[in-house]
Amino acid sequence: QVQLVESGGGVVQPGRSLRLSCAASGFRFSSYGMNWVRQAPGKGLEWVAGIHYDGSKEYYAESMKGRLTISRDDSKNTVYLQMNSPRAEDTAVYYCARDGRNPGPMFDYWGQGILVTVSS
Amino acid sequence: DIQMTQSPSSLSASVGDRVTITCQASQDIRKYLNWYQQKPGKAPKVLIYGASNLEAGVPSRFSGSGSGTYFTLTISSLQPEDIATYYCQQYGDFPPVTFGQGTRLEIK
Repeated sequence: QVQLVESGGGVVQPGRSLRLSCAASGFRFSSYGMNWVRQAPGKGLEWVAGIHYDGSKEYYAESMKGRLTISRDDSKNTVYLQMNSPRAEDTAVYYCARDGRNPGPMFDYWGQGILVTVSS
Repeated sequence: DIQMTQSPSSLSASVGDRVTITCQASQDIRKYLNWYQQKPGKAPKVLIYGASNLEAGVPSRFSGSGSGTYFTLTISSLQPEDIATYYCQQYGDFPPVTFGQGTRLEIK
């Protein structure tokens, strides 16, 4: 069955870098676009970044452009989110999600989420 | 960016009720609209894609309709397990993807 497992979260100081990972299994990873969606405590869903199935295109939320890098390693079935200079307002649960439909994105599978707390 | 406005923000209904949630887009998104259900402490789950297509495994009491700028999610007969927050998501103008602010559904 399809599984997405995030890791790399925790407490990070403002201004430090953080890299989240999402390990995928149960499907042909190289055939799907992947995305990151976050949810601040008690708030709604916010899409932050996506990457094309072949890695040829990356997409970012305008509010975070310049501070994020999404990448993928198909040999490891893993998608990454590098966050530079995190701020307190980046505190959220970060989900990775598979883009399951064309046209999309439509997020048909999600990880369990990983909490990132930006605090000194 | 396209703004998505859901209404109501919260809703209380009885078991067996017909429930409708609306989602309005600030621009025409044709049928590029998905609906998600999120239960407390859990990841969202897709219910409807392409405005009106039921995702596999989702109970048939859920349905979606609409196109252009106005969309609805309907639960034909509310069940206790439907208690959750519901989000619409547009992809008609990608990037970015944008979500509605959510509708919290409670049992009366």
